[in-house]
Order: sequence, then structure tokens, then C-alpha cells
Amino acid sequence: GEDVEQSLFLSVREGDSSVINCTYTDSSSTYLYWYKQEPGAGLQLLTYIFSNMDMKQDQRLTVLLNKKDKHLSLRIADTQTGDSAIYFCAETLGDYKLSFGAGTTVTVRA
Amino acid sequence: DTAVSQTPKYLVTQMGNDKSIKCEQNLGHDTMYWYKQDSKKFLKIMFSYNNKELIINETVPNRFSPKSPDKAHLNLHINSLELGDSAVYFCASSPGSNEKLFFGSGTQLSVL
Repeated sequence: GEDVEQSLFLSVREGDSSVINCTYTDSSSTYLYWYKQEPGAGLQLLTYIFSNMDMKQDQRLTVLLNKKDKHLSLRIADTQTGDSAIYFCAETLGDYKLSFGAGTTVTVRA
Repeated sequence: DTAVSQTPKYLVTQMGNDKSIKCEQNLGHDTMYWYKQDSKKFLKIMFSYNNKELIINETVPNRFSPKSPDKAHLNLHINSLELGDSAVYFCASSPGSNEKLFFGSGTQLSVL
């Protein structure tokens, strides 16, 4: 997406940690989101972080937010084959609008 | 039990035809959306509706006409289909304006 940037591809070995990075543009974004899209499916909300937080952990997922650099990351611990998917970062841009990154395709290899 | 359901899942049609995609949500949400995902997986918002009222029309050609008969439904009608309309169209809903979106499984439109 033109406002939210992500690297396009990530290859990771099964059992390792994956880190997906994102930079966003609107410092006033209220929420920042991570969505997962498996082949042929819609987007599934994985996790989100409120803009006044630095970190959020949810089982194998850790979200880190650096507001100064407008940088968001998603860490997946102990990556499994079922984690292979496209991961989208998204920010709120005013009311009624989410702006998405272009998605990072994560491939988990045995 | 599907939260956001859209039909059809696949739509193959000729250039110049008119087609519709239907969307329904049973989550009791006030806000519904249409997003377009191109072949490079880039997602772009097309429309947002809140309680049946159009809130956002993101410079979409007027060949695209959304209709919301009630807050649980948001349909998308496309006139005079063009090759460039080929994409996956996603319906989504959210409780309010700045809250997490729940997506349907998408409609893959192929214009020949």
C-alpha cells in the first residue's frame, strides 16, 4: 500500500522465530493491526495494539510498537507450517478506514 | 454461523456485463465495507457504510454502486464490467468506526 510499507517475503525454518516489520505513516492512528490471509481465504484478525502501548503479547505472538519511528513488528515464536500465509499490517486512517500494507508472504520450511 | 458471508465465491463473466455481489453479516455490527484486492495482494478500500449510510467512497468509478438495504447487508453492483475489474472483492464489517474489521472469504471476479 502507498501509506503502509512491509517487506514482501520472509522465509523461516520451522521452530524458529519470525519477525515481520511494518512502517506506517499516520502518527495519530488509534489502532494498528496484524491480519493473516491464508490461500483462498479472507483476512483474519491476528492481533492489534492500541497506540499508547509499546508491546502486546498474545501466546506465540508479540507486537512491538515504536511510535517515534512509526514502526510496528510482529514476532511469531516457534513458527509452524500452519503459519505460512500473507501477513498484513494495517493502520486506522481517520474514521471508517483502514489502510493496509502490501502484505508479507511468510514461507515456513521444514 | 458464518459471521460475514458473501456470494458468490467465484464470478466469471464477459466484458460489458453487469454483475452483483452480496454480503451479509450476523454480528450486529453498524459498519460495513467493500475492499478490492488486486493480483499483487494489495488491499484498497472502496466503500464504507455506517447504519446504511455511505460514509466513504474512495474515488471508485460510478460503475460500482453499493446498496445497503439494512445495516446487516451491503451489496455491490458493477455495471459494464472491464478487464481491470478482475480482482478479489472482500466485504467486511466492524462494530464502529475505528474498530477491528471482520472479513468475508472474498469473491474472485474474473472478467474475460
